[in-house]
Amino acid sequence: SQKIEQNSEALNIQEGKTATLTCNYTNYSPAYLQWYRQDPGRGPVFLLLIRENEKEKRKERLKVTFDTTLKQSLFHITASQPADSATYLCALPTQSWGKLQFGAGTQVVVTP
Amino acid sequence: EAGVAQSPRYKIIEKRQSVAFWCNPISGHATLYWYQQILGQGPKLLIQFQNNGVVDDSQLPKDRFSAERLKGVDSTLKIQPAKLEDSAVYLCASSFLRQGATGELFFGEGSRLTVL
Repeated sequence: SQKIEQNSEALNIQEGKTATLTCNYTNYSPAYLQWYRQDPGRGPVFLLLIRENEKEKRKERLKVTFDTTLKQSLFHITASQPADSATYLCALPTQSWGKLQFGAGTQVVVTP
Repeated sequence: EAGVAQSPRYKIIEKRQSVAFWCNPISGHATLYWYQQILGQGPKLLIQFQNNGVVDDSQLPKDRFSAERLKGVDSTLKIQPAKLEDSAVYLCASSFLRQGATGELFFGEGSRLTVL
């Protein structure tokens, strides 16, 4: 069956440093991958989408890579700020049209 | 642009009681999703609608959960009777998704259910 793995341990990082999160998947051949941010008590908010033919995608201080050989995506937050503290979810489409499956998410805590 | 609206935000019920959640998607979004998010886990898809038709309800516990999207706009998710394990946040999301497109999902704030 299809499986998505994200680090379950919270990532504690000092302000100004780069946070790197990992999303690994098995039994998938996704055409794209999405990343979402979720704050406590709120719904997830879309951040970035990267397609299988794209190696890297950037948006402001965010960078996503997608390695279809390793079946892995890396999500980087550069020059991290306390406001970046949240849970970050990766999501992949299943074979069913439009159906996204989410990982469990990784919590990021940025301390001043 | 108004976002996805959900109500109620919080609900506490006893087991075996029933509960209903309402969702109004972003105007013009044809696809609507209901996700269940248990504490510490990622959202799990329960049901997906395209306009007023069901696209996928393979993970919906149909013996107790039901959902409808009359007129292809707002939607209601019902649980009857509720079990303790139904305690979760129920997230509604919508997407302007054409077949084959890669649409981002827009989520509501969620409805937090506690079953005692």
